[in-house]
Amino acid sequence: QVVLQELGPGLVKPSETLSLTCTVSGASISSNHWSWMRQPAGKGLEWIGRIFNNGNTNYRPSLKSRVTISVDTSKNQFSLKLRSMTAADTAVYYCASGARGDQWGPGTLVTVSS
Amino acid sequence: EIVLTQSPATLSLSPGDTATLYCRASQSVSIFLAWYQQKPGQAPRLLIYDTSNRATGIPARFSGSGSEADFTLTISGLEPEDFAVYYCQQRADWVTFGQGTRLEIK
Repeated sequence: QVVLQELGPGLVKPSETLSLTCTVSGASISSNHWSWMRQPAGKGLEWIGRIFNNGNTNYRPSLKSRVTISVDTSKNQFSLKLRSMTAADTAVYYCASGARGDQWGPGTLVTVSS
Repeated sequence: EIVLTQSPATLSLSPGDTATLYCRASQSVSIFLAWYQQKPGQAPRLLIYDTSNRATGIPARFSGSGSEADFTLTISGLEPEDFAVYYCQQRADWVTFGQGTRLEIK
């Protein structure tokens, strides 16, 4: 059973960069694909991007210029960086296993505010 | 972008009933359609992947069908814990989600 946990700041200032980490247990980070999703309060799910086990990445086109997803094999974790944050990026952020999201972390609320 | 349209937006049923949820894609997604369940304050849970395959631990009362651009999630004999929001998702062309169907107790 794969268990995921998002870690990161709950509050980010406008124009700053969000950095989130997802710690993974029960699976090897290098042998699987990994995804990030988000959900604004009271709204639906939005896919951010994914990283494949060969290191290739796919990003949501509207976020592509601001997003980087990477893997740290030494720590068995993967990360999300989202630059130039605005209030529209306020959401619960989820990490998930697989290219579509098989197992999800519990989510972490990120608020963009000065 | 492939747009997924779910219907109905809200479905009101009683325990023991059968729920039928629909998801229509703006273009073919082949078999690459999944269904998720989300309860308040919780992360989504994968129910069905690749149109009709139940994820690990998902009860047999959940079933998926369809192809190309029209898909259905059927929940037979609703249990109290099934009342939640359901999302469809495609991964044929990057990843998009439908807007969700809320299944509520009548």
